[in-house]
Amino acid sequence: EDQVTQSPEALRLQEGESSSLNCSYTVSGLRGLFWYRQDPGKGPEFLFTLYSAGEEKEKERLKATLTKKESFLHITAPKPEDSATYLCAGGAAGNKLTFGGGTRVLVKP
Amino acid sequence: DSGVTQTPKHLITATGQRVTLRCSPRSGDLSVYWYQQSLDQGLQFLIQYYNGEERAKGNILERFSAQQFPDLHSELNLSSLELGDSALYFCASSVQVSGANVLTFGAGSRLTVL
Repeated sequence: EDQVTQSPEALRLQEGESSSLNCSYTVSGLRGLFWYRQDPGKGPEFLFTLYSAGEEKEKERLKATLTKKESFLHITAPKPEDSATYLCAGGAAGNKLTFGGGTRVLVKP
Repeated sequence: DSGVTQTPKHLITATGQRVTLRCSPRSGDLSVYWYQQSLDQGLQFLIQYYNGEERAKGNILERFSAQQFPDLHSELNLSSLELGDSALYFCASSVQVSGANVLTFGAGSRLTVL
């Protein structure tokens, strides 16, 4: 059975304090590893897709990396507006996404 | 605005009742997906439609059903509702990107069963 596990469940950061979120995955026939951001009461918003081990993608203060078993989302010098839940998902054949439980990030000014 | 429209935004109903949630995908997207998000389960895939046909099924209960109409909008029907069905229900639509679909999510429908 496909499984995606995210850690930590919650992360409290001071503004400017860089950190990393972990996503471990076991997805049969992985086609892509997705990162989404979700704000309270809203739908997930697409951030990145990673396709192969060694790939990296960046967007503003966020950088996602991928290995054969894990993906990391690095948040560099976060700002309060980066506070959100970050979701990782493994995409398999048939466009089925298996989501992890998410990491709730709170950045305090 | 993601381009995926879901109605209603909020719904409060009683156990045993039936509700219908509606989704209009982004213009040009042929695939519609339904997800359930509850506090203890995270985002769970329910069902996928592609151009009117069921494409994949996930953890969808027999009390739930869905369909996609010729104009590509989709409806998720939930019947014999139980307290545990209280959750956020998200619809998403997709555009093909390099062999892995990026899903664009709507704002969700929050269902409360009392």
